[in-house]
Amino acid sequence: GAVVSQHPSRVICKSGTSVKIECRSLDFQATTMFWYRQFPKQSLMLMATSNEGSKATYEQGVEKDKFLINHASLTLSTLTVTSAHPEDSSFYICSASVTGGRANTGELFFGEGSRLTVL
Amino acid sequence: AQSVAQPEDQVNVAEGNPLTVKCTYSVSGNPYLFWYVQYPNRGLQFLLKYITGDNLVKGSYGFEAEFNKSQTSFHLKKPSALVSDSALYFCAVREWGNFNKFYFGSGTKLNVKP
Repeated sequence: GAVVSQHPSRVICKSGTSVKIECRSLDFQATTMFWYRQFPKQSLMLMATSNEGSKATYEQGVEKDKFLINHASLTLSTLTVTSAHPEDSSFYICSASVTGGRANTGELFFGEGSRLTVL
Repeated sequence: AQSVAQPEDQVNVAEGNPLTVKCTYSVSGNPYLFWYVQYPNRGLQFLLKYITGDNLVKGSYGFEAEFNKSQTSFHLKKPSALVSDSALYFCAVREWGNFNKFYFGSGTKLNVKP
C-alpha cells in the first residue's frame, strides 16, 4: 500500500515556541492531505484539509493562524503549531489518499503520528 | 451530512472466540465505509472498505465486515480473536467530492484476553 511518512514522531518544546511537523507521501502523489488531532482516548478530529498549491481549508473552530498548513508539493505538507502552549499538547496525525485514475483506491493512508508535548 | 457511530467504547472477548465491533452509518447517497485499526502511539492502519459489490468484505489480518443497507450497519468481525488484535478500532465514512473528507466514529477499544 501507499506509504505516508510523518516527522518527527515525538517533540517536546517550550511554551511560546513554534513546532513544525512534516508529512510526506513516499511513493505516490497526494494533491490533498488531511491533518487530524487526537486527544487521549478519543477519536480523530479533522483540523484541516491541505491542498497542494493553495490555501488549506480549516474546520470550524480551528485557528488557522495557530495551526499553519503548507502544501508546497504533491508529496509534502507541513503543519506548524505557532506559539505553542501546553493545551496544544496532543497527538497529530496526517493522512493522504492516492488521487487520480486507477491509483485512486479510496482509502486514506496515515502517517505514524507526532506526539507534541508543550512544557 | 455523513456520520458513523460506534455504540461501544470497549469490547472484551476471550482469545479464540469470535469478535464483533459495531458501526452504524448515516449518509446521503451511497455509503463508502472503512475500518481502521490503531495501536498505541501509532497512526491508523487500513483494514478494509466497502465501496460497492458483495456485502461481505474481507480485509487484513483475518478481519471482515458485513454491509447491511437495511440496518445501516457495517460491523467488523473476526471468527477467532487473537491477543494481538487488542487495539483501538475506528469506523469511517468517506464523503466523495468536497475534498473527499473522512468522518470517523468515536472508536472502540478491543481487549482480547488470553
